Amino acid sequence: DGGITQSPKYLFRKEGQNVTLSCEQNLNHDAMYWYRQDPGQGLRLIYYSQIVNDFQKGDIAEGYSVSREKKESFPLTVTSAQKNPTAFYLCASSIGTSGSSYEQYFGPGTRLTVT
Amino acid sequence: EDKVVQSPLSLVVHEGDTVTLNCSYEVTNFRSLLWYKQEKKAPTFLFMLTSSGIEKKSGRLSSILDKKELSSILNITATQTGDSAIYLCAVYPITFYNQGGKLIFGQGTELSVKP
Repeated sequence: DGGITQSPKYLFRKEGQNVTLSCEQNLNHDAMYWYRQDPGQGLRLIYYSQIVNDFQKGDIAEGYSVSREKKESFPLTVTSAQKNPTAFYLCASSIGTSGSSYEQYFGPGTRLTVT
Repeated sequence: EDKVVQSPLSLVVHEGDTVTLNCSYEVTNFRSLLWYKQEKKAPTFLFMLTSSGIEKKSGRLSSILDKKELSSILNITATQTGDSAIYLCAVYPITFYNQGGKLIFGQGTELSVKP
């Protein structure tokens, strides 16, 4: 089955620790995205990547880092510099980005709790 | 600043009712508007609208875009308990290549359908 997988489903960390969230897709999509969802605020874009070895900051990139070494994978690291990391994190992918509108397909999400 | 606003933020109805969800946007250069349904986890794609006045339908769900009023509505007729979810509206602005793919999401409308 084609789709997007995220792991783990739930993640608990102590304050001050970096943590990496996994996102893998087998849809052969060029573009991948990371969003953060907080209650009452919808989805906010953290980082996105249009092609391997290239990525751009979204609206709330501070305290996060990403890599795109393979087309299928776009891991997100939540660093200790992120002041309020507890949230629901969603990864998405689409066929392309510029020049047209493409629906984005979402993974099941990772709920991160930092105490 | 580009912005998408949804109303109401939450709504409780009974099975069989018809509901209308609203989405308004302020985007510098509009390209398209998307509706998603989110049940617990991954948002799933419902509709993409690019032309004003054209209705997109899928079963009991339908949506229309009004580019003059910078808004869209999502209608659900004969609601069922399975329609309970958060409904997300998102807009693709026209962007330069290195900003491509940035979907701007509204806060979402949480719909609860009671038996």
